[in-house]
Amino acid sequence: QSVLTQPPSASGTPGQSVTISCSGSTSNIGSNTVNWYQQLPGTAPKLLIFSTDQRPSGVPDRFSGSKSGTSASLAISGLQSEDEADYYCAAWDDSLNCGVFGGGTKLTVL
Amino acid sequence: EVLLLQSGAEVKQPGESLKISCKGSGYSFSGYWIGWVRQMPGKGLEWMGIIYPDTSETRYTTSFQGQVTISTDKSINTAFLHWSSLKASDTAMYYCARVRGPQLKTNWFDPWGQGTLVSVSS
Repeated sequence: QSVLTQPPSASGTPGQSVTISCSGSTSNIGSNTVNWYQQLPGTAPKLLIFSTDQRPSGVPDRFSGSKSGTSASLAISGLQSEDEADYYCAAWDDSLNCGVFGGGTKLTVL
Repeated sequence: EVLLLQSGAEVKQPGESLKISCKGSGYSFSGYWIGWVRQMPGKGLEWMGIIYPDTSETRYTTSFQGQVTISTDKSINTAFLHWSSLKASDTAMYYCARVRGPQLKTNWFDPWGQGTLVSVSS
């Protein structure tokens, strides 16, 4: 049971937009910034969004992050086949005094 | 370029000990926390713990406290994850990652190592 809750799956067709949610609590998302990681099949995770809404250099602006209260979202616009991957949200938890991940969302591009 | 290079895959029996490594390059190793993340087969990511190489200050999640030991040798820019007695349930991919951010409450992992697959079976 992950501390952060994500839907197990999401899907869309090429060109569409999709949003992945991440629900937490006041001790994690409600108090701290959120990060998102992309894990392509058979590879190590890669940083996608940091500090809730910042993109590292090299990440397309089709990816964006936001937060409201104790929930965060990852939005992907102009869906491409290479976006098919697992996506994880993460945040620091003040009560646990450690980082926590969401359970992950498998994105399928139909 | 900042890189984290992990040691190779391991096949062990229950009860054996194991230490896997993560060597950093391209940055000041002592000045950044390093974290370890577990991914069991077909499952999600789990935050295990972090260590600050310069002081060896370490923090573990409750689930992993007492189950593993995180250490570093800053003279060779390397972090380690150690088990004294492996269990079949330790079978997983283990990733190391550099911690970035102005403080731990706002930290993120970047970059990640390529992962070390640990298989424990009798």
